Amino acid sequence: SQQGEEDPQALSIQEGENATMNCSYKTSINNLQWYRQNSGRGLVHLILIRSNEREKHSGRLRVTLDTSKKSSSLLITASRAADTASYFCATSFGAGSYQLTFGKGTKLSVIP
Amino acid sequence: EAGVVQSPRYKIIEKKQPVAFWCNPISGHNTLYWYLQNLGQGPELLIRYENEEAVDDSQLPKDRFSAERLKGVDSTLKIQPAELGDSAVYLCASSPTGLETQYFGPGTRLLVL
Repeated sequence: SQQGEEDPQALSIQEGENATMNCSYKTSINNLQWYRQNSGRGLVHLILIRSNEREKHSGRLRVTLDTSKKSSSLLITASRAADTASYFCATSFGAGSYQLTFGKGTKLSVIP
Repeated sequence: EAGVVQSPRYKIIEKKQPVAFWCNPISGHNTLYWYLQNLGQGPELLIRYENEEAVDDSQLPKDRFSAERLKGVDSTLKIQPAELGDSAVYLCASSPTGLETQYFGPGTRLLVL
């Protein structure tokens, strides 16, 4: 079963615009991670945010976590055509657990 | 540093035939995962290894799926016999023990006819 649900399912923007993707989950978590998957490729880890953190930055990426609402958002600023990919949130829950449960992903298209 | 290697990249078989996928994790990564990814979905865990021990195989359909990780390095995932519904991408990932980040291979795309 899928723990996280990304929203929207698909997003199309112009190059240079910001892209925001949201993830909601059901149970308490240890951490939440975002991964990117280019078409026909494996997943690439982008950023990890722990349950006691509220915001993290990495380059053009900004992730927020609201544990009271059981939700997270991924913001990509100044998008580029190379950002075109599917983005997945993955949650880890349970003490000492490294098992990840992935959502269905958001398909982002950045138009040059 | 070489990434996670998987082979084959593509496989087409007829239903009821056996098929095997191979994974070579990143050197030094003790934890190895096999995932199943259906079209338009996120990956779903099949099995997790810590060294050569399968520590979580609760989602592996054991009537037709089997996996092994001899010597705690390479791993093989087998399906016998394959069914039409097994058509999907099979992803392998690895991580150092105690690290939450996982490193994924490119996957094997299976088509069962």
